[in-house]
Amino acid sequence: GESVGLHLPTLSVQEGDNSIINCAYSNSASDYFIWYKQESGKGPQFIIDIRSNMDKRQGQRVTVLLNKTVKHLSLQIAATQPGDSAVYFCAERTGGFKTIFGAGTRLFVKA
Amino acid sequence: KAGVTQTPRYLIKTRGQQVTLSCSPISGHRSVSWYQQTPGQGLQFLFEYFSETQRNKGNFPGRFSGRQFSNSRSEMNVSTLELGDSALYLCASSPLPRDTDLGEQYFGPGTRLTVT
Repeated sequence: GESVGLHLPTLSVQEGDNSIINCAYSNSASDYFIWYKQESGKGPQFIIDIRSNMDKRQGQRVTVLLNKTVKHLSLQIAATQPGDSAVYFCAERTGGFKTIFGAGTRLFVKA
Repeated sequence: KAGVTQTPRYLIKTRGQQVTLSCSPISGHRSVSWYQQTPGQGLQFLFEYFSETQRNKGNFPGRFSGRQFSNSRSEMNVSTLELGDSALYLCASSPLPRDTDLGEQYFGPGTRLTVT
């Protein structure tokens, strides 16, 4: 069945370091992947997305890497800041708007 | 532009009752999706509406239903509430998909439903 999972439920990094959050997906038919950030008391917030015909996409301080061979997705956050502390979800879509979310990784940034 | 709004923000109901949650999408957005978020199951897709039609549906029982109005506002209803329905219900809206992507979703703050 469809599933999107995360390798680590919790990640703790030092302020200023780079963070890498990993995600595995199982549906090879998925053609669109998204990373969301959710802060306490708020809904998920879009960070960055990538289509399946790409293997890398960069945003402001964030980079998403897609490895379709091993069905792996990662989010890299450069120079992590305290404001980056949140739960991060990867998600996949297989056409339409039915989005399958992963379990989430909680990122702690130590000052 | 104002973001996605959801009302009410908090709700307490008892088992067996029914509940209606409301979502107002971002102006101009025609697609509205609903999700249930619980600590145990995470974020799960409920359904998606576009131009008053349900286009996609998740794996939830028929007690969960929704609708969309001509102004794109959406409501979801849960009948015969169970304790397990306690969750954060999130609504997300999206503009008409562009050729370059499948459409970014913008989430509201959610409605926290507690069933006692």
